[in-house]
Amino acid sequence: GENVEQHPSTLSVQEGDSAVIKCTYSDSASNYFPWYKQELGKGPQLIIDIRSNVGEKKDQRIAVTLNKTAKHFSLHITETQPEDSAVYFCAASTQGYSTLTFGKGTMLLVSP
Amino acid sequence: DADVTQTPRNRITKTGKRIMLECSQTKGHDRMYWYRQDPGLGLRLIYYSFDVKDINKGEISDGYSVSRQAQAKFSLSLESAIPNQTALYFCATSDPGGAGETQYFGPGTRLLVL
Repeated sequence: GENVEQHPSTLSVQEGDSAVIKCTYSDSASNYFPWYKQELGKGPQLIIDIRSNVGEKKDQRIAVTLNKTAKHFSLHITETQPEDSAVYFCAASTQGYSTLTFGKGTMLLVSP
Repeated sequence: DADVTQTPRNRITKTGKRIMLECSQTKGHDRMYWYRQDPGLGLRLIYYSFDVKDINKGEISDGYSVSRQAQAKFSLSLESAIPNQTALYFCATSDPGGAGETQYFGPGTRLLVL
């Protein structure tokens, strides 16, 4: 089955800096790669996703890049703010046909 | 009102007890999931259901069972709770006919097994 590795497990940045979280996956058939943000005391919430026919996707301060050849994808957050502090999960699946396999999560702390 | 609700939000039980965690959704989604979250281990899939008549084991189903009572309801049972089932449990829903496979999570149930 699919295996998703996520790094780093914790990341501390200063407000205004950029943050990058990286994930690798094992199943070359995977074609859907979402990112979820989990705030303290809440369930995870989708923040951005990318499909295999796209190499990059942006939504304001967040972006995701995908390298299918290398089987890795990354989340980029620019101009970080304290409210970006949360746990971030990457995931992979074969869209429509399988379940999501999640990475182990990255705790991002943005200091003022 | 929340689209995905879980009850109870917190539960303390003793080893050997049977407990049920309940999930209800008003999103009209066919697919529902139960996950377990442990520190450093991420979200691991316990069971999932793609429609009312469909039940599938996930990565870590041992010690758990589920019931899909209706499209809107999906319950998780621990037949005989043990301390290593202490964790945060999430229910989620998705709709493959909608905007991709976005999963919508409930607020979670924090379970402590003594």
